[in-house]
Amino acid sequence: QQQVKQSPQSLIVQKGGISIINCAYENTAFDYFPWYQQFPGKGPALLIAIRPDVSEKKEGRFTISFNKSAKQFSLHIMDSQPGDSATYFCAVSGANNLFFGTGTRLTVIP
Amino acid sequence: EPEVTQTPSHQVTQMGQEVILRCVPISNHLYFYWYRQILGQKVEFLVSFYNNEISEKSEIFDDQFSVERPDGSNFTLKIRSTKLEDSAMYFCASNREGNYGYTFGSGTRLTVV
Repeated sequence: QQQVKQSPQSLIVQKGGISIINCAYENTAFDYFPWYQQFPGKGPALLIAIRPDVSEKKEGRFTISFNKSAKQFSLHIMDSQPGDSATYFCAVSGANNLFFGTGTRLTVIP
Repeated sequence: EPEVTQTPSHQVTQMGQEVILRCVPISNHLYFYWYRQILGQKVEFLVSFYNNEISEKSEIFDDQFSVERPDGSNFTLKIRSTKLEDSAMYFCASNREGNYGYTFGSGTRLTVV
């Protein structure tokens, strides 16, 4: 059973552009929604996370938008840089587990 | 910054052999996890461990798999009789509270030949 659906599968953005990745979930018991960044050969690294009691969280160039009623959340990367090129995973968490989306491979073209 | 440490970084084993993957979670963390990632695919939950017992496990975590915290620092994943399809990156993670703040190690690449 897929706990969270992520799109798009891949994304190509020009340097300075905005990258947007979307996720949707079904189980309303989830109460923590992180985004992870993964470079080849490395483990997932926490990028930014949000709890369902807020609709938006911003850290530097990274923003999570959260729509509780629609059960959707998205990652926005402003002023995208070539160094942002990586695979991004959304995730949902309930008690004692964390479920990942299928990942989005982001390529930022100089 | 505290890290989750995994060893070895790469393990090659013959089909049918037993392997043990090792992890040292962050010292004040209480919850421990194993995940796997088949090349190019998503990160899949295997098992969570708290208070010296399994809290939850996925369908992937069958009788071939076991976990153990043999001492106060190590957390191990054992695969009893490896199969070709066990080839993947295996990530250990830990957190202090069960719902958030997961920190992942750099992974062990397991290759079964």
